Amino acid sequence: NAGVTQTPKFRVLKTGQSMTLLCAQDMNHEYMYWYRQDPGMGLRLIHYSVGEGTTAKGEVPDGYNVSRLKKQNFLLGLESAAPSQTSVYFCASSYSPQGRNYEQYFGPGTRLTVT
Amino acid sequence: GQQLNQSPQSMFIQEGEDVSMNCTSSSIFNTWLWYKQDPGEGPVLLIALYKAGELTSNGRLTAQFGITRKDSFLNISASIPSDVGIYFCAGLSGANSKLTFGKGITLSVRP
Repeated sequence: NAGVTQTPKFRVLKTGQSMTLLCAQDMNHEYMYWYRQDPGMGLRLIHYSVGEGTTAKGEVPDGYNVSRLKKQNFLLGLESAAPSQTSVYFCASSYSPQGRNYEQYFGPGTRLTVT
Repeated sequence: GQQLNQSPQSMFIQEGEDVSMNCTSSSIFNTWLWYKQDPGEGPVLLIALYKAGELTSNGRLTAQFGITRKDSFLNISASIPSDVGIYFCAGLSGANSKLTFGKGITLSVRP
């Protein structure tokens, strides 16, 4: 199993450009998450999904959109990138919140710079 | 909102030493998780704790779920250079599927 994969690994955007980050998991997990990590801020939840076709806002959703058309994929979109969105983006997935399946497994990250 | 406090921000230890780090909150959590992040990588789950008072080991790592459910501890024994990284605690409360993360402690190990 590849686990959680993210593409691309690195990207540089100009202010106002758009892009989509792709997250894929092959563990048949129900839940998927997008976080951003900034120095001194830890991990902050952007959006998450509790199943195919569903999405919900996290702690810092502004400026981002997401879609979960297939169970194994979770897309994060930036419609008009801003320098404040320069960050490292992590995708994670977990089986379900019931029982003992709260553990989230993370991808390797996407390093995005907006100039 | 809920917050998890990890301090200090950085720790420096000598190879072979033990190190303890804790994570505290003013809120009650039902699940505690400890993650490690190597430079340039995503966080990797080390230990998961589900019951107050639970003590769980993973090799040289031992973690405990505090009795009050407002804290958790991670101990690393006989540290080695590859223990270098950022250690995050995370907590889950209620039926909410969202984890709350601490800001992490950066551990440096001097050979």
